[in-house]
Amino acid sequence: SQKIEQNSEALNIQEGKTATLTCNYTNYSPAYLQWYRQDPGRGPVFLLLIRENEKEKRKERLKVTFDTTLKQSLFHITASQPADSATYLCALPRGGYSTLTFGKGTMLLVSP
Amino acid sequence: NAGVTQNPKFQVLKTGQSMTLQCAQDMNHNSMYWYRQDPGMGLRLIYYSASEGTTDKGEVPNGYNVSRLNKREFSLRLESAAPSQTSVYFCASSAADLQQYFGPGTRLTVT
Repeated sequence: SQKIEQNSEALNIQEGKTATLTCNYTNYSPAYLQWYRQDPGRGPVFLLLIRENEKEKRKERLKVTFDTTLKQSLFHITASQPADSATYLCALPRGGYSTLTFGKGTMLLVSP
Repeated sequence: NAGVTQNPKFQVLKTGQSMTLQCAQDMNHNSMYWYRQDPGMGLRLIYYSASEGTTDKGEVPNGYNVSRLNKREFSLRLESAAPSQTSVYFCASSAADLQQYFGPGTRLTVT
């Protein structure tokens, strides 16, 4: 069955460093992959979508890579700030093109 | 532009009671979704509606029913609540660009 794995342990980094989060998947051949941010007590917020024919995508301090051979996406936040502290979720299309399966998320904690 | 709104924000039910969670979006999106989020389980899709007039089961539909009342509104009904349905419920919508827009959630406790 399809499976998405994100590191369940929180990632603790210092302000100014680059945070790298990993999303691995099995039994998928997704046409795209999405990343969301979720703050405590709030709904997820979309950040980036990367398609299978794109190796890398950037948005301001965010960078996402997508390696369909390794079945892995890496999510980078450069020059991290305490305000970047949140849980980050990756999501892949679930069967039907518009539905998503979400990973369980990785919590990022950026300390001043 | 309110985006996706959900009501109520909090609800406590006794086992066996029924209730309807309301969701509305003002972005003219065709697709709408209901998820539940539990600690350690992540977001799981309950039901979705690809367009007005259609609904389909997601990963965990048992114990729930949905109604796509019109293009804006998608409600989730619990006919006979059970403690296992204690969760945070999120409604979301999407257009052709595939990104999903989430509401603020409903925190439901079933005692």
